[in-house]
Amino acid sequence: NAGVTQTPKFQVLKTGQSMTLQCAQDMNHNSMYWYRQDPGMGLRLIYYSASEGTTDKGEVPNGYNVSRLNKREFSLRLESAAPSQTSVYFCASRSDKEVFGYTFGSGTRLTVV
Amino acid sequence: KQEVTQIPAALSVPEGENLVLNCSFTDSAIYNLQWFRQDPGKGLTSLLLIQSSQREQTSGRLNASLDKSSGRSTLYIAASQPGDSATYLCAVDNNDMRFGAGTRLTVKP
Repeated sequence: NAGVTQTPKFQVLKTGQSMTLQCAQDMNHNSMYWYRQDPGMGLRLIYYSASEGTTDKGEVPNGYNVSRLNKREFSLRLESAAPSQTSVYFCASRSDKEVFGYTFGSGTRLTVV
Repeated sequence: KQEVTQIPAALSVPEGENLVLNCSFTDSAIYNLQWFRQDPGKGLTSLLLIQSSQREQTSGRLNASLDKSSGRSTLYIAASQPGDSATYLCAVDNNDMRFGAGTRLTVKP
């Protein structure tokens, strides 16, 4: 099925470890996004990419880096994980045609101990 | 900065009741507004998208309205069912998507 695929689904890290969250979409969307979701706070935008080769900061970019590897893939990297980064991370993509809105992946549940 | 608020934070209703979920936003210069459903431990499923030029959208038992001038949207669910139990999120898009914290709905059999 067409959509947004995130890996891994679950991850436990020790403080200071690094890791990369992967996201790929097969809908030929130009725009891709990374969000984090914390209890009672809704989703907050970390970084987004309006097109291949471009990335921009969102609301909460500190402690994260991103790479738009190609049109399909947009990865999120934690260089030195902290307990405050324990969260559920969602990747999304958006069609240029407004009518289709956003499509989300199923999320990565990250725990930093 | 766009801020999105959803009221109530939680709602419990008996099966069969009609209900309204509310969403308000501070910046009316939006491209569109989207309502999502999220089941526990799952991702987001898009329910309805209202473009900035539209007033409402309907899908089955769901009807979403948009009043940009007052910064409000409502999601109306008719004849609620236990399977409607989930968290409902609204999000407004003006270059990037900003989300409300959601309304957790429980429909009791």
